[in-house]
Amino acid sequence: GDSVTQTEGLVTLTEGLPVMLNCTYQTIYSNPFLFWYVQHLNESPRLLLKSFTDNKRTEHQGFHATLHKSSSSFHLQKSSAQLSDSALYYCALSGTSGGNYKPTFGKGTSLVVHP
Amino acid sequence: GPKVLQIPSHQIIDMGQMVTLNCDPVSNHLYFYWYKQILGQQMEFLVNFYNGKVMEKSKLFKDQFSVERPDGSYFTLKIQPTALEDSAVYFCASSSRASTGQLYFGEGSKLTVL
Repeated sequence: GDSVTQTEGLVTLTEGLPVMLNCTYQTIYSNPFLFWYVQHLNESPRLLLKSFTDNKRTEHQGFHATLHKSSSSFHLQKSSAQLSDSALYYCALSGTSGGNYKPTFGKGTSLVVHP
Repeated sequence: GPKVLQIPSHQIIDMGQMVTLNCDPVSNHLYFYWYKQILGQQMEFLVNFYNGKVMEKSKLFKDQFSVERPDGSYFTLKIQPTALEDSAVYFCASSSRASTGQLYFGEGSKLTVL
């Protein structure tokens, strides 16, 4: 079955430094959709980014990610972390053919940005 | 943007009692999900639902759990009887398409079982 791996459970960094959260996946689908969701404390998860196109950079709210099918990766990056970026980040995967009724989520990476 | 509403936002009950968590998904969405999140931990999939049927459920979806959406009304998660380990925040989500649609999450229902 599908799987999403987020290798870091916790990332701690200083405000202003670059952010990179890793996401790799395994899927039977040749054209998967990849998503990043963000969940701030005491809030529900919401979509941050999504991508379907190989090697195309997707950007939103200062974050960006590029789907690389050759390496099955969809890492989340930001050039300069802000205190407000502290949150739980989930990478998720969906297939594009019939029969996939459940997006597959990674275990999440908690990002803590300190002054 | 599209909203998923969850009722109640918080419920406290005694162990062994029944609880029903209600979800009003985004209008015209056809796929519905429940996720469980214990305080400080990651969100975990419970069950998804389409066309009146459970499509897939996880090991966390115990026999005491059930879901339904009678006549297009609320999508509900019922736990009967509840156990202490059921204390968590339960998130409902909906999507317009199974594979390519993003999930829209509700604000969560915090369940405390005493």
